[in-house]
Amino acid sequence: DTEVTQTPKHLVMGMTNKKSLKCEQHMGHRAMYWYKQKAKKPPELMFVYSYEKLSINESVPSRFSPECPNSSLLNLHLHALQPEDSALYLCASSDLRENNEQFFGPGTRLTVL
Amino acid sequence: RKEVEQDPGPFNVPEGATVAFNCTYSNSASQSFFWYRQDCRKEPKLLMSVYSSGNEDGRFTAQLNRASQYISLLIRDSKLSDSATYLCVVGYSSASKIIFGSGTRLSIRP
Repeated sequence: DTEVTQTPKHLVMGMTNKKSLKCEQHMGHRAMYWYKQKAKKPPELMFVYSYEKLSINESVPSRFSPECPNSSLLNLHLHALQPEDSALYLCASSDLRENNEQFFGPGTRLTVL
Repeated sequence: RKEVEQDPGPFNVPEGATVAFNCTYSNSASQSFFWYRQDCRKEPKLLMSVYSSGNEDGRFTAQLNRASQYISLLIRDSKLSDSATYLCVVGYSSASKIIFGSGTRLSIRP
């Protein structure tokens, strides 16, 4: 019943592969986010897009490359990842109102071999 | 010092009990406050926003004390389905950014 969708749900990739994670929101929100979450830890912010422009990059390694093709879509391109990048990758969106409530997608569980 | 601090728990309480979670934040410029709930291997879900006047949603009551930089969540008449990790979250509107506390694990036993 979430209005933020993410694909794929699970992804296994080798360190030399290139893959992409996809996120779509259907709420007309103008901000979208990527988070990384390791087991038993809270989500860590990676990137923020506001009005389709990258507004925050939390010093994320360049092997992670975000893209926002339009206000409803957000991609995360992955290349040459390391095993320690294995985690749950969460997408979220918000409407940038004063309270900025964020709504999360179900996540992509990534395993890097 | 972490920007948002919570007691990690775990809290293990019987069904029907009342349980309270506390959270402190360090940045007085914080402008928005939330409690999220996260079940094992699922995404965080917004439980409630927290306002200075306090707010209640059924069995859940949230309070904000800006002077003390303190947020609380009270769960009354706890149910087995309340078992989850509860995340205290603080937002900065100008940066479109939210900061998560480390989460408090709650387990309700029959």
